[in-house]
Amino acid sequence: GAGVSQSPRYKVAKRGQDVALRCDPISGHVSLFWYQQALGQGPEFLTYFQNEAQLDKSGLPSDRFFAERPEGSVSTLKIQRTQQEDSAVYLCASSLARGGGRANEQFFGPGTRLTVL
Amino acid sequence: AQSVAQPEDQVNVAEGNPLTVKCTYSVSGNPYLFWYVQYPNRGLQFLLKYITGDNLVKGSYGFEAEFNKSQTSFHLKKPSALVSDSALYFCAVRGYGGSQGNLIFGKGTKLSVKP
Repeated sequence: GAGVSQSPRYKVAKRGQDVALRCDPISGHVSLFWYQQALGQGPEFLTYFQNEAQLDKSGLPSDRFFAERPEGSVSTLKIQRTQQEDSAVYLCASSLARGGGRANEQFFGPGTRLTVL
Repeated sequence: AQSVAQPEDQVNVAEGNPLTVKCTYSVSGNPYLFWYVQYPNRGLQFLLKYITGDNLVKGSYGFEAEFNKSQTSFHLKKPSALVSDSALYFCAVRGYGGSQGNLIFGKGTKLSVKP
C-alpha cells in the first residue's frame, strides 16, 4: 500500500524566502510527526499532531517555523524567512495509534532536503 | 531526560560475518526502544522494537536486537552480514510526557559490509 509521501523531495531557497513542505501520511493514521535531520545527525523532533490538533510543538526551533494539519490528514511545515541553519532534511512520520500508543512504530516518508543559500 | 547513544560512527564487517551495532539508552521508566535503517535518499525504515517480554527481539531482514536492562543497552545484531545491509542505522527511544511519544534518536552508525 501507499506509504508516507513528502513533497517536494528537494528544495533550494534563497535566504529570507518562505518555504512550505508537504506531508501526506498513511491513510487513517491519527498521529503525525515532523523531524529535522541535519547532516550527519539523527532526526530531531519538531512537532506532533493528533488528527488536526497540534499537541506538541516544543521542538520547533524558532517562531519562523509553523506547522498545520487542518483536516487531520495532509500536513504542511512552513518556514518563514529561511536562514542557512535551516538547511536539513525534514522528515514526516505517521502512526496509527492515538496518543498513548507509544508502542507503535512510526512510518517515515522519504524527506524533503532543504538547502538555503 | 531520555537519550540514546550510539558509540560507533562506523562499523565495518566482511560479508558473511556477524555484525553488531551498539546502542545504549537513558530513560526514566520503562524504555520503548526501536531500530531504524536509512538508505541513501530514502526515509527511515522500521526494523524492530522492544516493548516488553523476551529480551531478544527479531525483526526485518534477519536482524535481531538484545535488550539488556542492567547495561541499559539495545544492540542490533545479525548472524551473517550481506553487502546490501550497508546503510545508516539509528537507535531510538520513545519519549515521555506531553509529546505523546516522539522518537529520540541516536546520531546513527554507518554500517559498511565488504564483499
